[in-house]
Amino acid sequence: NAGVMQNPRHLVRRRGQEARLRCSPMKGHSHVYWYRQLPEEGLKFMVYLQKENIIDESGMPKERFSAEFPKEGPSILRIQQVVRGDSAAYFCASSPGSGGEYGYTFGSGTRLTVV
Amino acid sequence: GQSLEQPSEVTAVEGAIVQINCTYQTSGFYGLSWYQQHDGGAPTFLSYNALDGLEETGRFSSFLSRSDSYGYLLLQELQMKDSASYFCAVSRGSTLGRLYFGRGTQLTVWP
Repeated sequence: NAGVMQNPRHLVRRRGQEARLRCSPMKGHSHVYWYRQLPEEGLKFMVYLQKENIIDESGMPKERFSAEFPKEGPSILRIQQVVRGDSAAYFCASSPGSGGEYGYTFGSGTRLTVV
Repeated sequence: GQSLEQPSEVTAVEGAIVQINCTYQTSGFYGLSWYQQHDGGAPTFLSYNALDGLEETGRFSSFLSRSDSYGYLLLQELQMKDSASYFCAVSRGSTLGRLYFGRGTQLTVWP
């Protein structure tokens, strides 16, 4: 089992460009979460998805950010017109059910740098 | 809202025991989780408590007191590889899929 796969590991974008971050959950996991982490800080929830459905997007900025988890293929976190403040590590996690007892499996993250 | 407090840093020597505390203020508390993260890598799930008491998994144990809104992670027989950041995280019944993380405790284990 390959675990949660995120790509790319590192992404550099110029201000105003678009960033697309991909996440393939563990086999058998239908719940996907995106978190953002700044240096020396904890992980901040962004969005929770199940196949083809957004369950909770309350942690995601209403503008420029969107997420999807299509029936086929990886989950995508999309950031349009990136700004320097978007520079952070973005982690994806998956689980077989919702609730902390499932112990989320995290990917290795995508480090986004906006120049 | 939610707030979690945990110490920013803890140091200990190899073979020792260390306890990392976490206090929380959360409406609709459901459970407390602990995660380990090495050098900004993938966070790794360590333990979960929904009921009061101690859960033991090898060298690591986690404790929860719901009445005190308090929990801790206990690491025994410390090894150099345990040097990492440790995060407590709460889940709420109304938003089960979402974990609210603390700012993390940096544990340094000295030889």
